[in-house]
Amino acid sequence: QSALTQPPSASGSPGQSVTISCTGTSSDIGAYDYVSWYRQHPGKAPTLLIYEVNKRPSGVPDRFSGSKSGNTASLTVSGLQAEDEADYYCNSHGGIRPWVFGGGTKLTVL
Amino acid sequence: DVQLVESGGGLVQPGGSLRLACVASGDIFYSYHMNWVRQAPGKGLEWISYIRSGSTTIYYADSVRGRFTISRDDATSSLYLEMNSLRNEDTAVYFCARDSDWAFHSWGQGTLVTVSS
Repeated sequence: QSALTQPPSASGSPGQSVTISCTGTSSDIGAYDYVSWYRQHPGKAPTLLIYEVNKRPSGVPDRFSGSKSGNTASLTVSGLQAEDEADYYCNSHGGIRPWVFGGGTKLTVL
Repeated sequence: DVQLVESGGGLVQPGGSLRLACVASGDIFYSYHMNWVRQAPGKGLEWISYIRSGSTTIYYADSVRGRFTISRDDATSSLYLEMNSLRNEDTAVYFCARDSDWAFHSWGQGTLVTVSS
């Protein structure tokens, strides 16, 4: 059982926006602004999309945005593109557990 | 950005041992905090170990503590994972990853470890 809870699937049409949630506890997401998000295409390594809740590394388009409220973090993908079809994982610093991942969300672009 | 290349994966019997390596490009590896993250077939990501720059701090996930050992050689820009007492459930792709700002900014391509008799 993953420490952070994500919906197993999400979907949207090209051009639409989709939001993926990531629920933790007051010991991880609720306690630290160290939430990050990753995208993983099949057979590939994950790539970083968002760090420290809402910061984007250089090269990541502003279609990707992150937020947090209480024990829940969210990733919003705007202007969906075919290349956004992938698995998405959240991660948080977990106090005594340095890092904890969510179970992953499979995003389908309809 | 730093390039990371893992090696050392393969087929091993339950109870056996394996040593994974991860070599980084560039000459500032000594300043990097490094991690191992694994992914079982068809499953999600699981963080398993962390080593701070200078090897001053090391963490393990409960699932591998006491069986796996992380280490680094800054002279050769290398990260290692010594895996002992391997179990079927350790079968996974193992990624090395550089962390900064409490996130994994760079990942290797992964190396597959299969534990099976």
